[in-house]
Amino acid sequence: DAKTTQPTSMDCAEGRAANLPCNHSTISGNEYVYWYRQIHSQGPQYIIHGLKNNETNEMASLIITEDRKSSTLILPHATLRDTAVYYCIVTSGSGYSTLTFGKGTMLLVSP
Amino acid sequence: GAVVSQHPSRVICKSGTSVKIECRSLDFQATTMFWYRQFPKQSLMLMATSNEGSKATYEQGVEKDKFLINHASLTLSTLTVTSAHPEDSSFYICSAPGGDSGHGELFFGEGSRLTVL
Repeated sequence: DAKTTQPTSMDCAEGRAANLPCNHSTISGNEYVYWYRQIHSQGPQYIIHGLKNNETNEMASLIITEDRKSSTLILPHATLRDTAVYYCIVTSGSGYSTLTFGKGTMLLVSP
Repeated sequence: GAVVSQHPSRVICKSGTSVKIECRSLDFQATTMFWYRQFPKQSLMLMATSNEGSKATYEQGVEKDKFLINHASLTLSTLTVTSAHPEDSSFYICSAPGGDSGHGELFFGEGSRLTVL
């Protein structure tokens, strides 16, 4: 699976959009980009995933660059409950068996 | 979405004893479940893949005789930490692929925090 690079931490004001970047320059054609988040002392939570098209669901939007070498997770209106570690994962599997968690980005949403 | 539940959420045991952690898929069947371990301020590390009706597959460096995995039904996988030592203290998390969502996501349990004294 391709390696991903994320900033260690980010801050965001409550109510503003949080834009979390992820670099995956070695991604191959059959690999998907998945995003999960982990609130402190809880299990991770699936957010969204995509292959090459931008995706949106009730939680977030995923913007993947045309060359697929990077992506951005957007939380349109961050709340305090969005404070968590966000993991960007690239995998060619079904998304199940080959999830390798990196260090992720610690997003701190402040009032 | 699908729900995965773990029990117990916290457990404290004495060194040398064994501890069993249960992972249940509450509203769907899971032929495969995954067990992760997370040490403080570190990321999740996959320990093993639990397969219903067959032996678990362990990641490199994980002792299969120490971390016993049983997947006896389509909704239950158990992890038993045998002869626990303080260095086994960690946050253990299970997960299972979603049911018919088609999204390809993994659903994670709430985690079980093990403290070995």
